[in-house]
Amino acid sequence: AQRVTQPEKLLSVFKGAPVELKCNYSYSGSPELFWYVQYSRQRLQLLLRHISRESIKGFTADLNKGETSFHLKKPFAQEEDSAMYYCALSGRGSSNTGKLIFGQGTTLQVKP
Amino acid sequence: NAGVTQTPKFQVLKTGQSMTLQCAQDMNHNSMYWYRQDPGMGLRLIYYSASEGTTDKGEVPNGYNVSRLNKREFSLRLESAAPSQTSVYFCATEVGGLRDGYTFGSGTRLTVV
Repeated sequence: AQRVTQPEKLLSVFKGAPVELKCNYSYSGSPELFWYVQYSRQRLQLLLRHISRESIKGFTADLNKGETSFHLKKPFAQEEDSAMYYCALSGRGSSNTGKLIFGQGTTLQVKP
Repeated sequence: NAGVTQTPKFQVLKTGQSMTLQCAQDMNHNSMYWYRQDPGMGLRLIYYSASEGTTDKGEVPNGYNVSRLNKREFSLRLESAAPSQTSVYFCATEVGGLRDGYTFGSGTRLTVV
């Protein structure tokens, strides 16, 4: 079964501290992984995807197929990073529809 | 360019009432999705439409129906609302192939009393 697990409901760090939001997945094929972010009272937006291998707002994520993980990292947290973060997996079926399976979400709280 | 527009933003229903959540996109995207967001559960797929004229069930379709009226619009209907359907509902679209990920609407906060 396809599944995305984010083990932490809440991650609280101080400004300037490193951040790592964990994401583990279960998928039998070749996965496509994403991170989405939802700032307070805003719509969800794409933060990054593993295929692009880019850094957005200082965040990076590396797909580790051996550990089936796609952890989101940032070396120095900023207060404006406080938000809900969702890890998502593409669940492509025979219809080739890009259904996304989301994790439970992690709230990141960056304290001053 | 509005992107993905959801109406209404808020709604309170009594148990047993019906209503339709509207979603419209001006991005010429092929695929459209309805998710519900619940604390501790993340986002769960209710229904999706890969293209105009097609709809399919997602993970939690019970109690819901959908209509893909045309390429722009994808509505979600609750025929007989239940308190368990209290949630935030998000519509999302994608051009196809997930190369740009999803574009989300701003959500509808529904409370069923």
